[in-house]
This record gives sequence, structure tokens and C-alpha cells, in this order.
Amino acid sequence: GENVEQHPSTLSVQEGDSAVIKCTYSDSASNYFPWYKQELGKRPQLIIDIRSNVGEKKDQRIAVTLNKTAKHFSLHITETQPEDSAVYFCAAVTYSGAGSYQLTFGKGTKLSVIP
Amino acid sequence: KAGVTQTPRYLIKTRGQQVTLSCSPISGHRSVSWYQQTPGQGLQFLFEYFSETQRNKGNFPGRFSGRQFSNSRSEMNVSTLELGDSALYLCASSYSRGGVGNEQFFGPGTRLTVL
Repeated sequence: GENVEQHPSTLSVQEGDSAVIKCTYSDSASNYFPWYKQELGKRPQLIIDIRSNVGEKKDQRIAVTLNKTAKHFSLHITETQPEDSAVYFCAAVTYSGAGSYQLTFGKGTKLSVIP
Repeated sequence: KAGVTQTPRYLIKTRGQQVTLSCSPISGHRSVSWYQQTPGQGLQFLFEYFSETQRNKGNFPGRFSGRQFSNSRSEMNVSTLELGDSALYLCASSYSRGGVGNEQFFGPGTRLTVL
């Protein structure tokens, strides 16, 4: 089955700096990669996603890049703010035909933005 | 539009008992997915229901089961509870099939503690 590795597990940055979280996946059949943000005590929330036919996607201060050959994808947050502090999860979706799929998450990265 | 709701929010059970958790999706959403979240394993996909049928299942034992009703509300059942089943159980709903680019909206979760 699919295996998603996420690094680093914790990340501290100064306010205004950039943060990068990296994930690798094992199954070349995976073709959809969502990212979730979970603030302390709150539910996960989709913040950005990318499909395998796209190399990069941006939404204001966040961007995701995908390298299918190397099987890795990354989340980039620029001009970080204290409200960006949360746990971020990457995920990979692998379709197995007949409408079935597997959704595999990384273990999460706890991002702390220091004012 | 009301969000995803889950009941109960907290539950304490003892080993060997069974438990049923409930999830009410956003009105109009037909897909409900269930996830287990633990500090050690992170987020893990349990299963997805769409139009009252289980469409996908993660790597969990048969003690974990679920169903979906005609109004899209879903229940998850865990039989013969084990200590390792202590976790936050999250459900997420989406208009169409989850994990295929349709944004999933998470509920607040049910915190299950097995003693």
C-alpha cells in the first residue's frame, strides 16, 4: 500500500520567514495530494491541493509543488504569521479502479511561528 | 449552512464493550468518511460511505464497521473495544465522492477513551 513520509515533524520559524514542509510517497499510482491544517483543539481543514497533472499551485501565501518523478510534494508558506501556527498534514490519494481509492496521511508537522 | 456534527463529543468505555458514533453531514452532502486520529499514528482513513454504500475501506480490522442512512447520516461502530482504540474519531462530509478533489469538511470529532 501507499506510504507517505512527512518532514520535519516540528518546525519553528520567525514571523515573516518562510516555512517548507516536505512529503514523499511510494505509490506512483497516487494522483491527488491534499494538505490539511489543524489548529490546536480544532478540526482539520483543507488548505490547498494538487493533482498529478500539475506541477505547482498557489493560493495567496501558500503554494504546493509536486515532483512526480521523485514522488515528492511540498507545502510552502511565505510571510508566516502567528495564525499559521498549527499541525499540517499532507496526504496522497491512490485510485484503485471502480471508484475505489485509498487516502494516506503523513504523520503531521507542528509549525510554530514565533512573533 | 450548518457544519458537520458528531455525537457524542466524548465517550468513555471499557475493554470488550462496543460503541456507536454518529455523524450528521452538511445538508446536501452525500459522502461521509471516517478517520481515526491518535498521537502515535496520526490521521488514518477508516472508510467512506456514499449513497448508503461503503465505497472504500482503510486498513482496520473488521471490528470497525459503519453504515449510512438514506438522509446521509452515518454511524460508525466499534465492537470488542481495545485500549488501542482510544482516539479522536473524525468524520468528514463532501458533496460528491471524498478524496477525489471534492473538499471534505470535518466534524469536531468524538473523543473515545477505552479503560
